[in-house]
Amino acid sequence: QITLKESGPTVVKPTQTLTLTCSFSGFSLSTSGKGVGWIRQPPGKALEWLAIIYWDDVKSHSPSPSLKSRLSITKDTSKNQVVLTMTNVDPVDTATYYCAHLSFTVTGNWFDPWGPGTLVTVSS
Amino acid sequence: DIQMTQSPSSLSASVGDRVIITCQASHDISNYLNWYQQKPGKAPKLLIYDASNLKTGVPSRFSGSGSGTHFTFTINSLQPEDIATYYCQQYDNLLYTFGQGTKLEIK
Repeated sequence: QITLKESGPTVVKPTQTLTLTCSFSGFSLSTSGKGVGWIRQPPGKALEWLAIIYWDDVKSHSPSPSLKSRLSITKDTSKNQVVLTMTNVDPVDTATYYCAHLSFTVTGNWFDPWGPGTLVTVSS
Repeated sequence: DIQMTQSPSSLSASVGDRVIITCQASHDISNYLNWYQQKPGKAPKLLIYDASNLKTGVPSRFSGSGSGTHFTFTINSLQPEDIATYYCQQYDNLLYTFGQGTKLEIK
């Protein structure tokens, strides 16, 4: 059974760096076809994909101009953790942040399951 | 970048109705399209993957179809527990995009 859980600060001040950790079990990120992605959801708004890291250490980030240069994703295979870093946060970054297991196959890719999410508020 | 247009943004239907939600991609994404259900205060859950494959354990009243740029998600015989927001999600060339969501309510 695959489970994931996000952890990190609940409140961050504007201009600071946000660091979130996804701790998972039930799979290894050294196994071919696996990935972990980060998705966020501002209150009352839609889901927004942020970044992903694959078993072979290939990484991809949102091309959104407001995010592109602010995101970093890394993995620690021995600890079963993935860390997302977002620099220079702003109140518009207030959201619930989810991590999710990715299945990467020849026919497609999908996020399943997801962690419960963690609400991060950016405020001074 | 691929843009996803999901419609409608909200929908009100009666128990037993058939509900249809559509997603349009800005260019051909083959069948790289998934559908998720999100209930209030909860994380999204995968329902349909690769456009038309029902995840194991998901009720058969849920279905998906389409390929290329036009995709459809259908709920046959709407049930009260289906009240949620539904999202499409596409994958193309290492990039992922979610639709804007469809909030489903019971009449």
